[in-house]
Amino acid sequence: GENVEQHPSTLSVQEGDSAVIKCTYSDSASNYFPWYKQELGKRPQLIIDIRSNVGEKKDQRIAVTLNKTAKHFSLHITETQPEDSAVYFCAASKMDSNYQLIWGAGTKLIIKP
Amino acid sequence: DVKVTQSSRYLVKRTGEKVFLECVQDMDHENMFWYRQDPGLGLRLIYFSYDVKMKEKGDIPEGYSVSREKKERFSLILESASTNQTSMYLCASTPGQRTGELFFGEGSRLTVL
Repeated sequence: GENVEQHPSTLSVQEGDSAVIKCTYSDSASNYFPWYKQELGKRPQLIIDIRSNVGEKKDQRIAVTLNKTAKHFSLHITETQPEDSAVYFCAASKMDSNYQLIWGAGTKLIIKP
Repeated sequence: DVKVTQSSRYLVKRTGEKVFLECVQDMDHENMFWYRQDPGLGLRLIYFSYDVKMKEKGDIPEGYSVSREKKERFSLILESASTNQTSMYLCASTPGQRTGELFFGEGSRLTVL
């Protein structure tokens, strides 16, 4: 079955710098890759997602890149701000169903002032 | 604005007790999910339901059951709680069958003594 590995488990960056979180997946049939952000004590919320027919997607300071050949995808956050501090989860799924969404273990992002 | 409400934010139960976790969504979503969230393990799917009275096992169904008598309500039941079921439980919902945003509740933190 699908397996999603996420690295690093903890990432500490200076405010204003960039942060990159990487995920690898095992099932080449996976073609939907969402990223969720969970602030302390709050619910996970979708921040960006990408489907396999594109290699990159941007939304203001966040972007996701996908390398289907290498089976990895990454979240990039530029000009980090204190409100970016949270746990970020990647996931992978075949596009036909949410039921097969497999999650990474999460990355705790700490923004240092 | 989609709202997914979990009835209890914090519960403390004793080993062997029966535990009910309730989840209600107000957006007429077909699909509802119960996840378990543990540090370093990400989100693991316990059960999901794609219609009233329909349920399917997820990745870790052992020790749990579910009930969906009405479209808006999805209940997770621990028939006989054990200490290894101490965890954060997240309910989510989504419309339709294809992949898309999961709307999460704020979670129920269960401690089994």
